[in-house]
Amino acid sequence: DTAVSQTPKYLVTQMGNDKSIKCEQNLGHDTMYWYKQDSKKFLKIMFSYNNKELIINETVPNRFSPKSPDKAHLNLHINSLELGDSAVYFCASSPSVGGETQYFGPGTRLLVL
Amino acid sequence: GENVEQHPSTLSVQEGDSAVIKCTYSDSASNYFPWYKQELGKRPQLIIDIRSNVGEKKDQRIAVTLNKTAKHFSLHITETQPEDSAVYFCAASKGGGADGLTFGKGTHLIIQP
Repeated sequence: DTAVSQTPKYLVTQMGNDKSIKCEQNLGHDTMYWYKQDSKKFLKIMFSYNNKELIINETVPNRFSPKSPDKAHLNLHINSLELGDSAVYFCASSPSVGGETQYFGPGTRLLVL
Repeated sequence: GENVEQHPSTLSVQEGDSAVIKCTYSDSASNYFPWYKQELGKRPQLIIDIRSNVGEKKDQRIAVTLNKTAKHFSLHITETQPEDSAVYFCAASKGGGADGLTFGKGTHLIIQP
């Protein structure tokens, strides 16, 4: 069984649209993350979230918002998509106690036309 | 915030030789240093990690060393094999809570047959 899963795997959309990417983990972890990997393969943290706090990387535009319906899910909603949003988005999770080790989902490849 | 520098960006070695990838970090409060391997089109996968109370850790052909004073850590792969070809990322975090990973820019390791 997949530990961290994401849907969709691929997402092609037009500029200006709003889209969501879903993430689910079945590891019982308390903390989830979103990372962006651009065309140069740079991996950057966007959000960290557990049931107590949301940490937002200050460089992330407010068009991006995480939404967590429960502990096992952290979705990423993006408003008014721009060309520069094209990237691979990875969800990850970690346990809360001694919980630095992060497990990544398979990624969602977003292409904005 | 934390800044992680990684070198080299590309490393080509003969099969069977050793490979060394080096990283430096800026925040002395960082205490957790994982290494991830990413194959083309796949998710980053943890291969080894080290915490700041340890100077060296080994797992079969892979080892990581940490010098807290100098704020640098290195990945060593011995007896390289074709399946070691991938992009390797170092990362750092302060650990605990919802702290995300700050990644280096990656090293493309090429194993020449």
